[in-house]
Amino acid sequence: DIQMTQSPSSLSASVGDRVTITCRASQSISSYLNWYQQRAGKAPKLLIYAASSLQSGVPLRFSGSGSGTDFTLTISSLQPEDFATYYCQQSYSTPWTFGQGTKVEIK
Amino acid sequence: EVQLVESGGGLVKPGGSLRLSCAASGFTFSRYSMNWVRQAPGKGLEWVSSISSSSSYIYYADSVKGRFTISRDNAKNSLYLQMNSLRAEDTAVYYCAGGLAVPGSDEHAFDIWGQGTMVTVSS
Repeated sequence: DIQMTQSPSSLSASVGDRVTITCRASQSISSYLNWYQQRAGKAPKLLIYAASSLQSGVPLRFSGSGSGTDFTLTISSLQPEDFATYYCQQSYSTPWTFGQGTKVEIK
Repeated sequence: EVQLVESGGGLVKPGGSLRLSCAASGFTFSRYSMNWVRQAPGKGLEWVSSISSSSSYIYYADSVKGRFTISRDNAKNSLYLQMNSLRAEDTAVYYCAGGLAVPGSDEHAFDIWGQGTMVTVSS
C-alpha cells in the first residue's frame, strides 16, 4: 500500500497569511494526487485534482504543485472560511489512501 | 442540484449486519465510479470500497474484505454497502463519494460526496 504523510499535522495561522501544507507519498505516484477540505461536521470537498488542477468553483487562492513523491497545497491568503482540515489522497493505485490530515486553526 | 444521500446507519451489535444505501440525484449516476469512505470519530478519512460505473471493477480495503459487499443499481441511481460481521472498529461515519469516469478525468478523485451516515458497533 502507498502511505501518504502530511506535514504539519496542525498549524495556527491568521487571516491573510500564506499557508503551505506538504504531502509525501511512500513511492512515486506521478501526478495522481488530490486535495480535500473538510470543515467541522461536514463532508470533504475536492479542491485540487491531478496535483495542480483546480476543481470547478474552488477559489483561486488555492493551488497545488508537485509530482512523483512530494506535493504541496498552498493557500495564498487565508480566509475565515478556510479554517478546516485538509487531506491529500493518492489515486495512483488501490487502496486509495489518504494522508492523516492537517488541521488549520485560527491564531 | 447534485446530491448524494446516505441512509441505513445505526446502532448494531458486534457480529451484526447493516445495509447502507446512497441515493444519487442531479447528475448522471451511471457515468460515475462510486466509493464508500469512512471516518471514525475524531479520526481521518479511510477509503473502504469502490465500484466502477458499470460494476465491472470492484475493490475493497483489506480491513473490510470478505465482510463488506459493494453494489450499485444504475436504473435506480443507487449505491449500496452490505456490511456483515461488524466489529467495534467499523464504527464511523460512512460517506458515499463519486468520481467522474470519462476519458480525461480521474474517476478516483472524489468530486461528489454525501453528508454521511453514522454506524455504531457496540454491545
